[in-house]
Amino acid sequence: KAGVTQTPRYLIKTRGQQVTLSCSPISGHRSVSWYQQTPGQGLQFLFEYFSETQRNKGNFPGRFSGRQFSNSRSEMNVSTLELGDSALYLCASYKSFDRENTEAFFGQGTRLTVV
Amino acid sequence: GESVGLHLPTLSVQEGDNSIINCAYSNSASDYFIWYKQESGKGPQFIIDIRSNMDKRQGQRVTVLLNKTVKHLSLQIAATQPGDSAVYFCAEKSWGDYKLSFGAGTTVTVRA
Repeated sequence: KAGVTQTPRYLIKTRGQQVTLSCSPISGHRSVSWYQQTPGQGLQFLFEYFSETQRNKGNFPGRFSGRQFSNSRSEMNVSTLELGDSALYLCASYKSFDRENTEAFFGQGTRLTVV
Repeated sequence: GESVGLHLPTLSVQEGDNSIINCAYSNSASDYFIWYKQESGKGPQFIIDIRSNMDKRQGQRVTVLLNKTVKHLSLQIAATQPGDSAVYFCAEKSWGDYKLSFGAGTTVTVRA
């Protein structure tokens, strides 16, 4: 079956701009999580969505937002980009984030560079 | 085999040897602990997990040990192969939190 698809793979943006990243989970998976990966901070949780509802949000400023659509696809948006937002943004999908489903399937990520 | 008592950011292993990667976790209320492998240019890939009420679990060539007394998790890889070269992360998960909390990764390099 197809894996988690993230688009685009690479992005270069200028400070102050905004960006939208997309994630298509594995078919049948209803939970989507987003993580930011940087060399200095490692993997940091951004948010998790299930059936279009955000169930948890990480400690990131309000410039970071996300949403999930009825087909479980998810987008995240970063407004007023800063240099420090340069990172690999990873999306993970689960069938459902519960006791019986511990395996997260990650996409290859979107590499965002802010200049 | 190669072993590390404390978490170190890098580990160099001779091909064919066993390797041990360590991780300290912080939340004693975590329900699950998971190991991920991340190869260059790819997202993390699930290796194995262990429930908090277990102390050992084995998979194919891998064993995870959990010591809740000292909040320590380890991943043992038997007969390390070149394809095992990657960054390894431990993660913890609590029910109702809907998130994974990742530890600092360990870069494993397999020497031929």
